[in-house]
Amino acid sequence: DTEVTQTPKHLVMGMTNKKSLKCEQHMGHRAMYWYKQKAKKPPELMFVYSYEKLSINESVPSRFSPECPNSSLLNLHLHALQPEDSALYLCASSQVGPVSQETQYFGPGTRLLVL
Amino acid sequence: AQSVTQLDSQVPVFEEAPVELRCNYSSSVSVYLFWYVQYPNQGLQLLLKYLSGSTLVKGINGFEAEFNKSQTSFHLRKPSVHISDTAEYFCAVKTLFQKLVFGTGTRLLVSP
Repeated sequence: DTEVTQTPKHLVMGMTNKKSLKCEQHMGHRAMYWYKQKAKKPPELMFVYSYEKLSINESVPSRFSPECPNSSLLNLHLHALQPEDSALYLCASSQVGPVSQETQYFGPGTRLLVL
Repeated sequence: AQSVTQLDSQVPVFEEAPVELRCNYSSSVSVYLFWYVQYPNQGLQLLLKYLSGSTLVKGINGFEAEFNKSQTSFHLRKPSVHISDTAEYFCAVKTLFQKLVFGTGTRLLVSP
């Protein structure tokens, strides 16, 4: 089973709202990722958690706040977003170890529209 | 740092014809290579990967790719495409201690 689930599938929010995206995997993976994908572009890495600790933050604005409450769950808290933050947000997970084990498996994404 | 080039932004092909999607990479160290497919309004699905061993890699849905170290390429092929193969295809490369780097993607358009 290589399934990563994400909720919600779609989200519309105003610039003053606070919302959260959720990602879950039960593959025993200890690394989890958030990517942002704009239309007709490849995914861009935002955050990496390894063993529930934030290991990479790709200079993402503070209006995006990640959280990894346990090894199966990853959240992305959103606050005071801008219209340019509208995108598909993808979660991925992988094992941690030799590079040969670090194949990333992606979820279906949350399509976010900021009005 | 490593990089990936997908020269073809769009590849139109007729149903049941063969197709090749090109991917070239640049790296000074050993690489691990991946192809992902993204159907409209969906996430990325792993098609196949090259980690080591045989340079010809077979994946899901009848796709295969060949790792060519001398030409720094990892082209994706399918002998006979279906309408359902219409999607965006991303080549990606990873090296030790570096993040996964994606190419810009190739849109495969299969028409009847």
